[in-house]
Formats: sequence, structure tokens, C-alpha cells
Amino acid sequence: EVQLLESGGGLVQPGGSLRLSCAASGFTFSPNTMSWVRQAPGKGLEWVSGITGDSKFTFYADSVRGRFTISRDNSKNRLYLEMNSLRVDDTAVYYCAKDLVPGDGRWEFDYWGQGTLVTASS
Amino acid sequence: DIQMTQSPSSLSASVGDRVAITCRASQSIKSYLNWYQQKPGKAPKLLIYGASTLQSGVPSRFSGSGSGTDFTLTISSLLPEDSATYYCQQSYNSLPRTFGGGTKVEIK
Repeated sequence: EVQLLESGGGLVQPGGSLRLSCAASGFTFSPNTMSWVRQAPGKGLEWVSGITGDSKFTFYADSVRGRFTISRDNSKNRLYLEMNSLRVDDTAVYYCAKDLVPGDGRWEFDYWGQGTLVTASS
Repeated sequence: DIQMTQSPSSLSASVGDRVAITCRASQSIKSYLNWYQQKPGKAPKLLIYGASTLQSGVPSRFSGSGSGTDFTLTISSLLPEDSATYYCQQSYNSLPRTFGGGTKVEIK
């Protein structure tokens, strides 16, 4: 059974940092492109960042580029999101999501974690 | 960025009704359109990818159609468990992979 389990969310002051982690199991992690998608309270879905299976390429939404860094450790089946210079409008539930077809670059998300809440507030 | 516009933003229908949700892209995305269902407090669930391919395990009352810029998600006979918010998402060759604003489906 495919499982994605996020952790690391919490309350942080604007300007602060957090590191999210996503533990993957039930599938072969290394070939799969992985992404982070967020959802502000009461709002829609926003793709935030993605990374190829070999970590060779990383991608970011304009809203987070230069502040967030995505990475992965295929030996530990883990995906990460380092978030710096957090702003109030980064407040959201952050989901990690797996691509439907390994390596096809389509970013069709067939499995999602349960999400972790990040709140940036003073 | 490719903009995705869904309509309506919400609807209320009765059990057994046929329901259609539309999604329009700001430019052609061929058939690279996905649909997700999200229930309150839960993660989204992939229903349809490639505009019309049903994801494994999704009931056949869900169907998708369209290509280019105009797409439709249809629920042929609405059930109480279909109460949810539905999102479209483009997976064409451009980032970000934008989502529509969502359509909330309520049961009368």
C-alpha cells in the first residue's frame, strides 16, 4: 500500500524557517518525480515545488522561488521542503504528492499524504 | 502561466441527478487535464487523468471529456458520497501545473 506521511509543520513567526519531511513507502521511491502542493485555509490547491527522481532537476512556483528548497534522500525514501523567510501568506496545509507515471514529467498526482499545517503568524 | 477556470464555483443537486462541471484553460493544453475530488479535511484524490482516463478504483459514474481548452467532468448519477470539492489541473508542458479554483458539489 502506497503511503506518504508528512511531518514538520507548526507555528512559526514571519521571517522564520521550517523543514517539512515526507516519508514514502509502498512503492519504488527513486524513479518517481515528487511534488509539494499546498492549500491555504478555505482556499484552492497550489503546486509549490517538484523534484525529479534523480534530484537532477528541481522546480518552483514563482511565489516560493528563492525561499524554499526541495530535496530528497532516495536511500531513506524521504522528500523534504526547506522553507525560509516564511510569510503570512505561506500559511497552508502542505501535501507531498507522487507522480502517476515515474519520470514522464506530467505531474499527475495519484497519491497524496495527509498534509501538515504550516502557520506563519506573530 | 496557464490559467484554469472552473464553473460553476458551487452547485446543489439531488441524489440521482446528472452533474457536469466545466474547466477552461487559457490556452490549448491538448488532453493534459486531470480531475481531483477533495472531501473536507482530506487530501485530494485523483479521479481522471488525460482528460478522460478513469483512475483505477474510481466508480464508472465519473467521466471526463474535452480537449484543447474546454473540458467537462460528469457525474452520471449523483450519490451522497459525491459531496465534495472538485478541482481540475493542467499537466501540459509548462510549469506551474496550475489548478482550477474548485467546484463545491452539495447534495440537496
